[in-house]
Amino acid sequence: KAGVTQTPRYLIKTRGQQVTLSCSPISGHRSVSWYQQTPGQGLQFLFEYFSETQRNKGNFPGRFSGRQFSNSRSEMNVSTLELGDSALYLCASSQSTTSNEQFFGPGTRLTVL
Amino acid sequence: AQKVTQAQTEISVVEKEDVTLDCVYETRDTTYYLFWYKQPPSGELVFLIRRNSFDEQNEISGRYSWNFQKSTSSFNFTITASQVVDSAVYFCALRQNTGFQKLVFGTGTRLLVSP
Repeated sequence: KAGVTQTPRYLIKTRGQQVTLSCSPISGHRSVSWYQQTPGQGLQFLFEYFSETQRNKGNFPGRFSGRQFSNSRSEMNVSTLELGDSALYLCASSQSTTSNEQFFGPGTRLTVL
Repeated sequence: AQKVTQAQTEISVVEKEDVTLDCVYETRDTTYYLFWYKQPPSGELVFLIRRNSFDEQNEISGRYSWNFQKSTSSFNFTITASQVVDSAVYFCALRQNTGFQKLVFGTGTRLLVSP
């Protein structure tokens, strides 16, 4: 069974640009969560999606948005990039909203210059 | 509010030593879940163990064991006979038992195991 896949793995952007990151959950998993990892702030929760609906959102500005498609794949978008958005973005999938295990993907490392 | 504290920033041991990683948590919830994840240099978070708040039984799984004490809000993790491949950053995490998947992570402990 394939694991969680995230594309692209590495990305370099400049300030002011926007970026879209993609996450494909494990087959059969319908819940997807996103996390941002930085050296300064650590691992922080961004959003959680289930059945194409955002169920929970972390404390991030409106520049951060996301969505989930009918096949459970999810995308997150960051507009007007800032230097502080440089981070490892991790996606996690679980079977349902009450599952006790989340499986993480390898992450997308975003560098903003 | 929920909070997870991992006071140990970095631990260095020699192979075959036992090592314990400390985790202290804060939550007002009566039911919750606690987790340990491992993050090797590749970046992917690997699930290790999970414990729910209403089960304080401590267990051993291979070289891993954990000590959950609700009275002191601690969830410590021990690796017995450490190996070089155990070198990674270890994160303790907390999740409410509310049907949401949000994990609150500690700051992580970097474990270096030298041969």
